[in-house]
Amino acid sequence: DQQVKQNSPSLSVQEGRISILNCDYTNSMFDYFLWYKKYPAEGPTFLISISSIKDKNEDGRFTVFLNKSAKHLSLHIVPSQPGDSAVYFCAASARQGAQKLVFGQGTRLTINP
Amino acid sequence: NAGVMQNPRHLVRRRGQEARLRCSPMKGHSHVYWYRQLPEEGLKFMVYLQKENIIDESGMPKERFSAEFPKEGPSILRIQQVVRGDSAAYFCASSPVAGTLNEQFFGPGTRLTVL
Repeated sequence: DQQVKQNSPSLSVQEGRISILNCDYTNSMFDYFLWYKKYPAEGPTFLISISSIKDKNEDGRFTVFLNKSAKHLSLHIVPSQPGDSAVYFCAASARQGAQKLVFGQGTRLTINP
Repeated sequence: NAGVMQNPRHLVRRRGQEARLRCSPMKGHSHVYWYRQLPEEGLKFMVYLQKENIIDESGMPKERFSAEFPKEGPSILRIQQVVRGDSAAYFCASSPVAGTLNEQFFGPGTRLTVL
């Protein structure tokens, strides 16, 4: 049962353009969402998060949008840079109970010069 | 401030041997989480520990796997009698306080290969 889904295994974007990564979830108990970036042979690095009481959070080039009614969130990166090429994971958690993060399968983003 | 440390980075074991993976959380963090990543998949939660306590082990296989976080020293994930299906990347994460924002900081991982 995949509670967090990233339906695009890969995405290719031109340098300087906007990258949009999508994530869907099924568990209505999730109320905190995070995006992590991962390079090969390294651990995931936290990028940005959003609480369910918000619908948008922005940090520099990164913006996360949350649509609770659709159970959908997206990460926008603008402008995209070559160093953004990595695998991006969406993760979710519920404040109550366990602190575990539930991860999506990841989207491999490639920024082309 | 050093990040989350894991060792070894790479571990090779033959079937039937034991694997011990170590994790030192970030300074000031008392909550440790272990995740496993199989090839081409996302990270899957295994266990959540605080000092000397297992809080949630719902993701741990019932047999052969165990975890501890002693009062002194690193957290240990132990896999007994390893099988080929245990080959994966094992990531440890830590956080300072539970029950608030659930940002977790990850270590570089231990890549376990079972021959």
